[in-house]
Amino acid sequence: SQQGEEDPQALSIQEGENATMNCSYKTSINNLQWYRQNSGRGLVHLILIRSNEREKHSGRLRVTLDTSKKSSSLLITASRAADTASYFCAMTPNTGTASKLTFGTGTRLQVTL
Amino acid sequence: DAGVIQSPRHEVTEMGQEVTLRCKPISGHDYLFWYRQTMMRGLELLIYFNNNVPIDDSGMPEDRFSAKMPNASFSTLKIQPSEPRDSAVYFCASRSSKTVLYEQYFGPGTRLTVT
Repeated sequence: SQQGEEDPQALSIQEGENATMNCSYKTSINNLQWYRQNSGRGLVHLILIRSNEREKHSGRLRVTLDTSKKSSSLLITASRAADTASYFCAMTPNTGTASKLTFGTGTRLQVTL
Repeated sequence: DAGVIQSPRHEVTEMGQEVTLRCKPISGHDYLFWYRQTMMRGLELLIYFNNNVPIDDSGMPEDRFSAKMPNASFSTLKIQPSEPRDSAVYFCASRSSKTVLYEQYFGPGTRLTVT
């Protein structure tokens, strides 16, 4: 099954800096979502971008999607210590069921004071 | 709403024992998903249900794994017999088809350790 590859695997920044995470995938998608997972917890949905959208904003989050390159990026601006978590992209395929999500490998973000 | 509820939160069992994980989805959600997360394989979809009917179980690793959804508010994932390689965190998630978004709501997970 398709899986997203995320880059970098781990990222350490200082509070106030911006964090950028990238996701690449292999086949055509209907939409791409980003989720956050705090240590020992379940995943929490952050933002969704549809295949016909190029950029989307939500608070301090900015997501871009380039379907020609099969890639997406998540930018967190003015990071806070509370942003420390793992971040996953998740793809909904353009064929078959629209319910099935395939998750990427994740980026572990550490924000230090 | 209480969110997706999973029990137990932690389970330690010996190889060969039967393990049953439980999930209560968010009320009104008609899709339910079971995932497994490990360091080696990441987050994998095991099976999902729509209106209590299993739709895709292609991710279930082998016959030792089975899942049921007897009603809209309850699902189980059973492993019999369990093996050490089944050690992982198992997540249940649900979503509603009535919204235009595809976002899934995850439970806190069950950390399973098989010794």
